[in-house]
Amino acid sequence: DTGVSQDPRHKITKRGQNVTFRCDPISEHNRLYWYRQTLGQGPEFLTYFQNEAQLEKSRLLSDRFSAERPKGSFSTLEIQRTEQGDSAMYLCASSSRAAKNIQYFGAGTRLSVL
Amino acid sequence: LAKTTQPISMDSYEGQEVNITCSHNNIATNDYITWYQQFPSQGPRFIIQGYKTKVTNEVASLFIPADRKSSTLSLPRVSLSDTAVYYCLVGDSYNTDKLIFGTGTRLQVFP
Repeated sequence: DTGVSQDPRHKITKRGQNVTFRCDPISEHNRLYWYRQTLGQGPEFLTYFQNEAQLEKSRLLSDRFSAERPKGSFSTLEIQRTEQGDSAMYLCASSSRAAKNIQYFGAGTRLSVL
Repeated sequence: LAKTTQPISMDSYEGQEVNITCSHNNIATNDYITWYQQFPSQGPRFIIQGYKTKVTNEVASLFIPADRKSSTLSLPRVSLSDTAVYYCLVGDSYNTDKLIFGTGTRLQVFP
């Protein structure tokens, strides 16, 4: 399967701990996106990369959030000092630059902050 | 910032045609309007995209009026497996790379 994969699928952590999620996009896609989705809501844009460059960050992405995409391949999203309000599904998607609206999503990482 | 509005939910029976409309303003004038389907515990999946008028593929049709202030996803002859949440996706007028998901329409198909 050469789709978008995310790891882990589920993460339970205590408030104040740091967590890191990984996303492996479709290999030939140069764009990678992170979204956050809470129950009953649509995905909210967090940030995106074109190759290794982070080109846009949402105001939702506080200073506790950081994302990287070294070498333009996989990406990581780190949340420091987690809060209960960070509990959500974190979705990763990738696309080609020519068809940026056709995004392929991973299954997501569900974060629960206790 | 682009804003979209969709009905929260819709019900249908198997074999019927379902039309879901998304209203959107402040969207990018030169960008596609895209629709996605999402099942529980899965990421959204691309269905169809269009710029204007009508687009049809093997699973759906998309109608976009000339003013592009709305779009309508049409699902012909729905089945139980079409029960899902449907989202319209538009590009923000100030930054087309910032894609805005709609509020989503939960479609329930009954036998």
